[in-house]
Amino acid sequence: EVQLVESGGGLVQPGGSLRLSCAASGFTFSTYEMNWVRQAPGKGLEWVSYISHSGSAIFYADSVRGRFTISRDNAKNSLYLQMNSLRTEDTAIYYCARFSRLPFFDYWGQGSLVIVSS
Amino acid sequence: EIVLTQSPGTLSLSPGERATLSCRASQSVSSNSLAWYQQKPGQAPRLLIYGASSRATGIPDRFSGSGSGTDFTLTISRLEPEDLAVYYCQQYGSAPSWTFGQGTKVEIK
Repeated sequence: EVQLVESGGGLVQPGGSLRLSCAASGFTFSTYEMNWVRQAPGKGLEWVSYISHSGSAIFYADSVRGRFTISRDNAKNSLYLQMNSLRTEDTAIYYCARFSRLPFFDYWGQGSLVIVSS
Repeated sequence: EIVLTQSPGTLSLSPGERATLSCRASQSVSSNSLAWYQQKPGQAPRLLIYGASSRATGIPDRFSGSGSGTDFTLTISRLEPEDLAVYYCQQYGSAPSWTFGQGTKVEIK
């Protein structure tokens, strides 16, 4: 059974940093492209960042480019999102989501809540 | 960037009725690269449809997708109380900017 479990969320002040983790199991993690998708309270879904299976290709949404860094450790079956210079508008549930063999999201984690507030 | 516009914003129907949800793209979506997701209250999204019309594994056949180009539709043939959710469309033909519609909320009377 495919499982994605996020951790690392919490309350942080504007300008602060936080690192999210996503532990993957039930599939060969090193062969799948992975993403972070977020959802602000009461709002819709926003794709945040993508990383290829090897980590050689990385993309970011304009809203986070230059502040967030995605990475992965295939030996540990883990995905990460380093978030720096956080803003109040970054407040959201952050989902780890797997790409199928085509770029739609076939599995999602349960989400990790990040609150940016003073 | 392809902008997806979903309508209506909210759909209120009775069990057994047919629900028709629309997703319109600002430009043609290549190769019908459109997916639909269901998000129940307090849960993560779940994949329903990909390739505009292919049901994901385990999805009941009362859910169907159709459309091409810029106009796509998700149909729930006979609503059940458990279908209470927000439904999102997503295009994946224009990488690396994968965009979602703003969602349609389905309420059960």
